Amino acid sequence: QVQLVESGGGVVQPGRSLRLSCAASGFSISTYDMHWVRQAPGKGLEWVAIIWVDGNNKYYADSVKGRFTISRDTSKNTLYLQMNSLRDEDTAVYYCAKGDRVGAPTGGFDPWGQGTLVTVSS
Amino acid sequence: DIQMTQSPSSVSASVGDRVTISCRASQGLNNWLAWYQHKPGEAPKLLIYATSSLQSGVPSRFSGSGSGTDFTLTISSLQPEDFATYYCQQANSFPRTFGQGTKVEIK
Repeated sequence: QVQLVESGGGVVQPGRSLRLSCAASGFSISTYDMHWVRQAPGKGLEWVAIIWVDGNNKYYADSVKGRFTISRDTSKNTLYLQMNSLRDEDTAVYYCAKGDRVGAPTGGFDPWGQGTLVTVSS
Repeated sequence: DIQMTQSPSSVSASVGDRVTISCRASQGLNNWLAWYQHKPGEAPKLLIYATSSLQSGVPSRFSGSGSGTDFTLTISSLQPEDFATYYCQQANSFPRTFGQGTKVEIK
């Protein structure tokens, strides 16, 4: 069964850091693009970052560029999001999601994890 | 960035109704358009990818259509479990962008 489980959320002060984890099971993250998407309270979905299959190429939303870093540990089959210099507007539920496999693009994210809540507040 | 605009922002409907949600992109998507269903406290669920391809396990009452910049999600006969918020998402370029969502509510 393909599954993603996020962890690492919590309450953090502005300017501080937090690292989110996303443990994958039922598939290998080394064969799929992997994404982070977030949803601020009462708002819609906002795409955050991608790490491509090769593990070296990454892309970020302008809102997090230079502050967030996406990475993975294929030996642990786990995706990460390192979040530095956190701001109030980063408060959101953060989801990880499985993207496309090389040679079989769909453009869709499936599945998604249940999400982990990050609250940035003093 | 590609801007995605959904309409309506909310719709009230009854069980058995046909519901149509529209999504317009600020530029052509080459059919790289996906639809998601999202219920509070749950993970978003992929319904449709590449404009009209039904994700495995998704009921056939859901369908997608469109081309260029204009796309539609149709629920042919609304069921109680379909009350949720629906999002379109473009997969043509980065950054990926979502519509603002359409909330389907009980009439």
